[in-house]
Amino acid sequence: DARVTQTPRHKVTEMGQEVTMRCQPILGHNTVFWYRQTMMQGLELLAYFRNRAPLDDSGMPKDRFSAEMPDATLATLKIQPSEPRDSAVYFCASGGSGGTADTQYFGPGTRLTVL
Amino acid sequence: AQSVTQLGSHVSVSEGALVLLRCNYSSSVPPYLFWYVQYPNQGLQLLLKYTTGATLVKGINGFEAEFKKSETSFHLTKPSAHMSDAAEYFCAVILGGYQKVTFGTGTKLQVIP
Repeated sequence: DARVTQTPRHKVTEMGQEVTMRCQPILGHNTVFWYRQTMMQGLELLAYFRNRAPLDDSGMPKDRFSAEMPDATLATLKIQPSEPRDSAVYFCASGGSGGTADTQYFGPGTRLTVL
Repeated sequence: AQSVTQLGSHVSVSEGALVLLRCNYSSSVPPYLFWYVQYPNQGLQLLLKYTTGATLVKGINGFEAEFKKSETSFHLTKPSAHMSDAAEYFCAVILGGYQKVTFGTGTKLQVIP
């Protein structure tokens, strides 16, 4: 049963520290999405990759957030420096060939708490 | 402008009763519409989706939704609620030819024994 995996599942850090979240998309999927979920804002799209190339990162604060896909099996989301307002659950999702209505398969999320 | 609106942030139903979760969208182009479910401490899981063709879409766990263009709605229904249906449900839309999904604010479904 293929699944999207995310590490770590939980992260507690102090303000100013660097945070790196990792995602392993489902093998063969060539689209990857990063979302952030908070009570106040709901689900927000942060970044979207197709064939490892970033196609849309307009939802991501550029000054502190960065997203990359070093290879087809790994996507990373980095926050440097982290702030308390970054506390949220971060989800990675992967999809198929990039068709518009491809189903997105979500990972279990990384719950980030910035003190 | 809000692309998708879910009416009711919390809905309670009795076990065995009809489940109706409402979703309306705004779009000048044919939308792709989705319902996702999120169980506590888990990621989202696709229940069903509408792309083209038949307007009544059947999904997993006995859920279905009907695309009504004239009403710009895509309400989710299930004839008989189970305790295991308690979760948060998200309506989502893709507008245009891009995979960017816009999610609604979610509806938490409570099932009362």
